[in-house]
Amino acid sequence: AQKVTQAQTEISVVEKEDVTLDCVYETRDTTYYLFWYKQPPSGELVFLIRRNSFDEQNEISGRYSWNFQKSTSSFNFTITASQVVDSAVYFCALSEYRVTGDKLIFGTGTRLQVFP
Amino acid sequence: NAGVTQTPKFRVLKTGQSMTLLCAQDMNHEYMYWYRQDPGMGLRLIHYSVGEGTTAKGEVPDGYNVSRLKKQNFLLGLESAAPSQTSVYFCASRSQRESYNEQFFGPGTRLTVL
Repeated sequence: AQKVTQAQTEISVVEKEDVTLDCVYETRDTTYYLFWYKQPPSGELVFLIRRNSFDEQNEISGRYSWNFQKSTSSFNFTITASQVVDSAVYFCALSEYRVTGDKLIFGTGTRLQVFP
Repeated sequence: NAGVTQTPKFRVLKTGQSMTLLCAQDMNHEYMYWYRQDPGMGLRLIHYSVGEGTTAKGEVPDGYNVSRLKKQNFLLGLESAAPSQTSVYFCASRSQRESYNEQFFGPGTRLTVL
């Protein structure tokens, strides 16, 4: 069965610290996609990144970077020099395709609190 | 472009009452989804639709019904609300043009069942 595990329920850091959010997934599909979404205190869900199973290159976008390792079934997210505005709940998700249509399986989320 | 909108934003129901949550998207997306979000549980898929007139069950469909009569709208119904349905409900949509492109989410509806 498809599964996404975000073992870190809550992380607290002080501004300017680097922080890594872990995501471990399980799937029997050979083709799949992984996603990260951010949910700030205002409640909306903001898409951050999509990565397919054939592309293991790390990605960097400003202070954000993602490390995808198929060998360990992990798709970790690092925020460099964290800021208070990074405080949010972050969700990792895995695509699941079936004949009836595709959907996302979400992890339970990691709440990040960045203190000034 | 309004994106994905949800109506209402907040609602309080008594046990046994019924209501319908409306999701509308103006991006001409084929796929639409309803999720519920509960503390410590992440987002769980209730029902989804791959096109007008078609719906399918997700992970937690019991107690809910859906309809997709128009491509742009996806309705979630609670026939007899129960306190266990107190949650934040999110609607999402995505285009079929690319495989597994991202879902766009609405702002959510906070439902309390007393």
